[in-house]
Amino acid sequence: DTEVTQTPKHLVMGMTNKKSLKCEQHMGHRAMYWYKQKAKKPPELMFVYSYEKLSINESVPSRFSPECPNSSLLNLHLHALQPEDSALYLCASSQSSRGLSYNSPLHFGNGTRLTVT
Amino acid sequence: SQQGEEDPQALSIQEGENATMNCSYKTSINNLQWYRQNSGRGLVHLILIRSNEREKHSGRLRVTLDTSKKSSSLLITASRAADTASYFCATDPTGGFKTIFGAGTRLFVKA
Repeated sequence: DTEVTQTPKHLVMGMTNKKSLKCEQHMGHRAMYWYKQKAKKPPELMFVYSYEKLSINESVPSRFSPECPNSSLLNLHLHALQPEDSALYLCASSQSSRGLSYNSPLHFGNGTRLTVT
Repeated sequence: SQQGEEDPQALSIQEGENATMNCSYKTSINNLQWYRQNSGRGLVHLILIRSNEREKHSGRLRVTLDTSKKSSSLLITASRAADTASYFCATDPTGGFKTIFGAGTRLFVKA
């Protein structure tokens, strides 16, 4: 079991649907991340929130919209996705807003397996 | 672009044998970390080695770092079937704000 909880575990959505992925941590971490992982590939960074403010957007298409309502919660709103967006979406948190720069490891949730039909 | 590249891409060994995975990276780093990922699950942090360290141990894990060659290795001794997973190195480029993962090594440990 991980200390970062992601819901739902699985999600199937059509290209016209709107859905949201949720992530929660209660470790007091002030940095939260969204990663996308395709099969047999490493995780790719999408967004970084530091102290509830968006600090990094890795040129992610606007059909992905992150939100950080408070220091424990992170959402990813999905709209008008494409089949190629099907992937494992991983949430992570760390103690430091500078990620590993201050020797702070990432704590990952188990991800949401997203299928876009 | 990926900071780290790992080899081998896949490794198959018998239970009880040692497994060695290598990681190379491109830029200066503050530290290097290794993560494990079981199929379809999240990544689990294994060990962190700082740029001024050369070797670190944690249980059956031994990590080395050679900053002159920009490379690291992860040794798992006396492997078990439960060690079957993908292993990723991750680096923090000096001054960077984001973790960059290598391509990963898929380890299969046969019972």
